[in-house]
Amino acid sequence: AQTVTQSQPEMSVQEAETVTLSCTYDTSESDYYLFWYKQPPSRQMILVIRQEAYKQQNATENRFSVNFQKAAKSFSLKISDSQLGDAAMYFCAYRSLRGGATNKLIFGTGTLLAVQP
Amino acid sequence: GAVVSQHPSRVICKSGTSVKIECRSLDFQATTMFWYRQFPKKSLMLMATSNEGSKATYEQGVEKDKFLINHASLTLSTLTVTSAHPEDSSFYICSARALMEQFFGPGTRLTVL
Repeated sequence: AQTVTQSQPEMSVQEAETVTLSCTYDTSESDYYLFWYKQPPSRQMILVIRQEAYKQQNATENRFSVNFQKAAKSFSLKISDSQLGDAAMYFCAYRSLRGGATNKLIFGTGTLLAVQP
Repeated sequence: GAVVSQHPSRVICKSGTSVKIECRSLDFQATTMFWYRQFPKKSLMLMATSNEGSKATYEQGVEKDKFLINHASLTLSTLTVTSAHPEDSSFYICSARALMEQFFGPGTRLTVL
């Protein structure tokens, strides 16, 4: 069974600085998706970034980028120029391509990011 | 992105009553919807996966007779917590899938007195 591990329960970053959140996963599959979701205090889950495993290029969305290391099964999220609005719980998630539309997201335990002004 | 709504956003009920939570995909059709439960500062725990027109698939340890899920159409799924007790108090989140993307509702805070 696949697992997702986030080893940093809490992180803190100064406004305008850069922070990296770690995520590792375990799978025997070669094709899958990886995601980072943000859950702010409102508790609305928001997709931050998605990576398809077959793509070697790291995904980027504005100030958010990932470092996807497939062989090491590592998928870290880098937030550049941190803003106060980035303060949230961040979840790393894995989804297999097998099983079609019903295959489920497997979440890590989350990292609570605080942004200091 | 696509929008998923949940209603109600919060509900307080007495022990022993049943509570229904609605989840709607507002601008897309979702063949698959998911129901999660989340405790404070914890990750999302998948309760069940539902497909339109068929029975839901429950995760191990989730009582299907207590948490009734109906996926009546491609845009609506409901979760009914039957005979709710204080231990059912939690934050419930639904999610709807469209192709590669999965969109989440804003959640429902259930408090059982």
